[in-house]
Amino acid sequence: GIQVEQSPPDLILQEGANSTLRCNFSDSVNNLQWFHQNPWGQLINLFYIPSGTKQNGRLSATTVATERYSLLYISSSQTTDSGVYFCARETTDSWGKLQFGAGTQVVVTP
Amino acid sequence: DGGITQSPKYLFRKEGQNVTLSCEQNLNHDAMYWYRQDPGQGLRLIYYSQIVNDFQKGDIAEGYSVSREKKESFPLTVTSAQKNPTAFYLCASTPPGTGFYNEQFFGPGTRLTVL
Repeated sequence: GIQVEQSPPDLILQEGANSTLRCNFSDSVNNLQWFHQNPWGQLINLFYIPSGTKQNGRLSATTVATERYSLLYISSSQTTDSGVYFCARETTDSWGKLQFGAGTQVVVTP
Repeated sequence: DGGITQSPKYLFRKEGQNVTLSCEQNLNHDAMYWYRQDPGQGLRLIYYSQIVNDFQKGDIAEGYSVSREKKESFPLTVTSAQKNPTAFYLCASTPPGTGFYNEQFFGPGTRLTVL
């Protein structure tokens, strides 16, 4: 079955809105990362967050490893936030092998 | 300027030809990885290498080959045996560890199109 599941698959936001992206995973994790892929394909690291909560400017993330999910919060969205957001996990039995979700396509309109 | 570089940015090849994609890093990272991305999908692991002269197959290694002769370099060859090679290829690396599980950083990618 699907080991890393992201929702929603698509999200359209008006500039200034807040949103929450979700990542569910089927097994325990030792590494959970969130990435933003820009229109040119570059993957930009947002968070390395196997557990707990982190914040970086308008973005924050929370991982609850015991309940097997992670959330990415975007506050006061801007058009530059558009792109695809991926979560990826590495399990205890797959050293270095990140398993990616299918991503959430975010479009922020002016 | 430190970072992960991939070349070329765009690559076109005729069916039946082998082609090699370059990945170089000057970050003193130990582990390096190759991923493939198809339109509308997440990334899938092709090969990875933890140290020089050692590498392991990922989830979709068939039709690909790699080498790791230098710490800084991890080239990927897409062979004619790869049935559907048109894709976006991304290279990543991981800093020397404080443990086994470390953050991966990605290069800018190479778009391969088979004509």
